[in-house]
Amino acid sequence: EPEVTQTPSHQVTQMGQEVILRCVPISNHLYFYWYRQILGQKVEFLVSFYNNEISEKSEIFDDQFSVERPDGSNFTLKIRSTKLEDSAMYFCASSETGGKSSYEQYFGPGTRLTVT
Amino acid sequence: AQSVSQHNHHVILSEAASLELGCNYSYGGTVNLFWYVQYPGQHLQLLLKYFSGDPLVKGIKGFEAEFIKSKFSFNLRKPSVQWSDTAEYFCAVKRDSGGYQKVTFGTGTKLQVIP
Repeated sequence: EPEVTQTPSHQVTQMGQEVILRCVPISNHLYFYWYRQILGQKVEFLVSFYNNEISEKSEIFDDQFSVERPDGSNFTLKIRSTKLEDSAMYFCASSETGGKSSYEQYFGPGTRLTVT
Repeated sequence: AQSVSQHNHHVILSEAASLELGCNYSYGGTVNLFWYVQYPGQHLQLLLKYFSGDPLVKGIKGFEAEFIKSKFSFNLRKPSVQWSDTAEYFCAVKRDSGGYQKVTFGTGTKLQVIP
């Protein structure tokens, strides 16, 4: 069964450093998403991406965040200057459609980001 | 903006007991509703979803949920739980309108099933 993959599984970085989290969505999917889950809190939407542009973003997704689909398979989340409060599990997801009844977001296993 | 409330944070049941996890959402328009499950060490998986039609939705592994529009609720049920149902369960909502893909999650309910 096709699945969303994410690398690395765990990333440790120092405050102020840039990190890039990588995701490979399911190959025929057209919509891509990033979510995060701070330890002990709920899963929060960050951004959705379709047709090579951001289609929706939350208030969390400020100027320090950016997303990119650099090639036909990868989808990346860049955090420009990490803060301690960016420590969280980051989930990538993809869906074939944007909202029809067949809609389902498939989630990757997550990347645990630890900012020290 | 939409939001989701899950009232039970931690539920402990014996095997064969019946399960009902509460979920309420707030949004005045039409919504799509989901229940996701996260087994220990695994990623989020879709249990079931509601888009339209029959408000009683059946999902995988014997789970079902009922959408009650007047109560803004989408409670998850299972008549008889098994030890393998031990996991965290998340209710989620999405606006059913073009251009919105944001799924808003509840805080989750940890279910522990005792053999």
